[in-house]
Amino acid sequence: QKEVEQDPGPLSVPEGAIVSLNCTYSNSAFQYFMWYRQYSRKGPELLMYTYSSGNKEDGRFTAQVDKSSKYISLFIRDSQPSDSATYLCAMSAGYSSASKIIFGSGTRLSIRP
Amino acid sequence: GAVVSQHPSWVICKSGTSVKIECRSLDFQATTMFWYRQFPKQSLMLMATSNEGSKATYEQGVEKDKFLINHASLTLSTLTVTSAHPEDSSFYICSADNRGEAFFGQGTRLTVV
Repeated sequence: QKEVEQDPGPLSVPEGAIVSLNCTYSNSAFQYFMWYRQYSRKGPELLMYTYSSGNKEDGRFTAQVDKSSKYISLFIRDSQPSDSATYLCAMSAGYSSASKIIFGSGTRLSIRP
Repeated sequence: GAVVSQHPSWVICKSGTSVKIECRSLDFQATTMFWYRQFPKQSLMLMATSNEGSKATYEQGVEKDKFLINHASLTLSTLTVTSAHPEDSSFYICSADNRGEAFFGQGTRLTVV
């Protein structure tokens, strides 16, 4: 069993739709929970990170962490074609969100105009 | 945001030769950098943690004699793939820790022929 499970998709939704991306994990020691966006053949770009449980909102993006269920989510409101990319959930049990990151396999998202 | 530059972006080498990949933090100092590998349609996998002025820490299953890491300054870490073979062909990505947040390079695509 992988430490972090993520549905690879692909996921295709129309422009303006709400997108829900999810991951589950097995390691209860994870404290930092991140979402990255990655374009083809590029390095990941941090979208949001949460420490421990709870919700965090940044513009059209909302991240949720439920440690009791070992489940994290990313919601994208009013999705735009420019949001089309691969989204990676990631987690760390290290000293910070930069340390020993364990990534999900990524969900490929496509927003149709 | 902080910038991490990785060089080269892509490289093709012959089987049996060695290849060096550089990771530089351009506008901040990074005591700690990380090296990841990503195979097609798979997740980023942490290979090793690079600490300035000391030996790197390798993840289980990563051969330290094959993947040589040097972190001689606070802005530069290098990964040398020694005696490369076709199975080492992959996308290698570094990240640098800037005050607890990871910033990723753009990645290096290595093809061994």
